[in-house]
Amino acid sequence: AQTVTQSQPEMSVQEAETVTLSCTYDTSESDYYLFWYKQPPSRQMILVIRQEAYKQQNATENRFSVNFQKAAKSFSLKISDSQLGDAAMYFCAYRSLNNAGNMLTFGGGTRLMVKP
Amino acid sequence: NAGVMQNPRHLVRRRGQEARLRCSPMKGHSHVYWYRQLPEEGLKFMVYLQKENIIDESGMPKERFSAEFPKEGPSILRIQQVVRGDSAAYFCASSPALLAGGTEQYFGPGTRLTVT
Repeated sequence: AQTVTQSQPEMSVQEAETVTLSCTYDTSESDYYLFWYKQPPSRQMILVIRQEAYKQQNATENRFSVNFQKAAKSFSLKISDSQLGDAAMYFCAYRSLNNAGNMLTFGGGTRLMVKP
Repeated sequence: NAGVMQNPRHLVRRRGQEARLRCSPMKGHSHVYWYRQLPEEGLKFMVYLQKENIIDESGMPKERFSAEFPKEGPSILRIQQVVRGDSAAYFCASSPALLAGGTEQYFGPGTRLTVT
């Protein structure tokens, strides 16, 4: 079974600065997807970014980018020019392409605080 | 296009009562997933359904929990004889029919169940 680990329970960043959230995962599969979800206080799960494992190029969405290291099974999220609205829980998630379940496996989350 | 809808948003039940959580997927989506989030934890997969079929229920507790996704109407997650440990946020997600490239899951706002 796959596991996802987020080793930073909390992180803080100064507004306008850059912060990196860590995520590692364990799998024996070669094809899969990785995701970062944001969960603000409203609890709504919002997809931030996704990465296909077969793509070597790191995904980027505006101020959000990932550092995908397949061999190391690492998938970190970089937030540039942090804004107060970025404060939330961030969850890393894994999805296999090889089983019928197609479920997401989530890490335990990192709480990001943004200081004005 | 309305997003994934869940109701109720908040549900309070006494120990021993039944809880029914409803999920209406996005229009055109035929796949529904249920996840549970305990306080201060990440989301855990419970069950994956397609219309009238349970595809994967590997995350469902063996007793008291059941799920359905009828041909007409919303998906229902049913918890019988609730206990305090069932208190959690329950999220539903939906996706369209799976393609070779895979698709994201779109999350509803969740139902917060409190058992007193």
